[in-house]
Amino acid sequence: AQSVTQLDSQVPVFEEAPVELRCNYSSSVSVYLFWYVQYPNQGLQLLLKYLSGSTLVKGINGFEAEFNKSQTSFHLRKPSVHISDTAEYFCAVSVGTDKLIFGTGTRLQVFP
Amino acid sequence: NAGVTQTPKFQVLKTGQSMTLQCAQDMNHEYMSWYRQDPGMGLRLIHYSVGAGITDQGEVPNGYNVSRSTTEDFPLRLLSAAPSQTSVYFCASSYGTGTSNEQYFGPGTRLTVT
Repeated sequence: AQSVTQLDSQVPVFEEAPVELRCNYSSSVSVYLFWYVQYPNQGLQLLLKYLSGSTLVKGINGFEAEFNKSQTSFHLRKPSVHISDTAEYFCAVSVGTDKLIFGTGTRLQVFP
Repeated sequence: NAGVTQTPKFQVLKTGQSMTLQCAQDMNHEYMSWYRQDPGMGLRLIHYSVGAGITDQGEVPNGYNVSRSTTEDFPLRLLSAAPSQTSVYFCASSYGTGTSNEQYFGPGTRLTVT
């Protein structure tokens, strides 16, 4: 069965510093990969997705992620974070066409 | 467009009571799903539907029923609530019948079972 592992439950960082949120998945078949963001007391919004093609995917709000098939990873990066990026970030994998499986989430806390 | 709407926003139930969480979308999306969110466990898929009249189980279906009589609505029923069902519930929908497209999430229903 496929699964998603987010290695860090919390990531504290100062404003304007770079950040990387890690995600690894397990699947023996091709996958679709996603990053979603959840701001406090809200539903989730799509940040970016990888379906095929270029392994570097750019999303909204300056975020990007790189698909690495050999390491089964899909880490999310931003070169310079803002206070407004404080939120919970979820990695998700879709195997086949009908189920989307989420990781446990990483809480990004940006300090001034 | 209202997007994905969920009612109620908050609910408190006693153990053994039943209730229905409502979910509706006005985007003509084929795919709809229900998740529960618990601290440290992320979102877990309860049930999903790839179109009207078609539903299937996700990761944690026990204690929940769903039906999909129309494209717009996908209610989630708790037949006999248990404290373990205390959680935040999210409904989501997407274009097409699969999960390669963006999921649009509702604002959530916070349920407490005492």
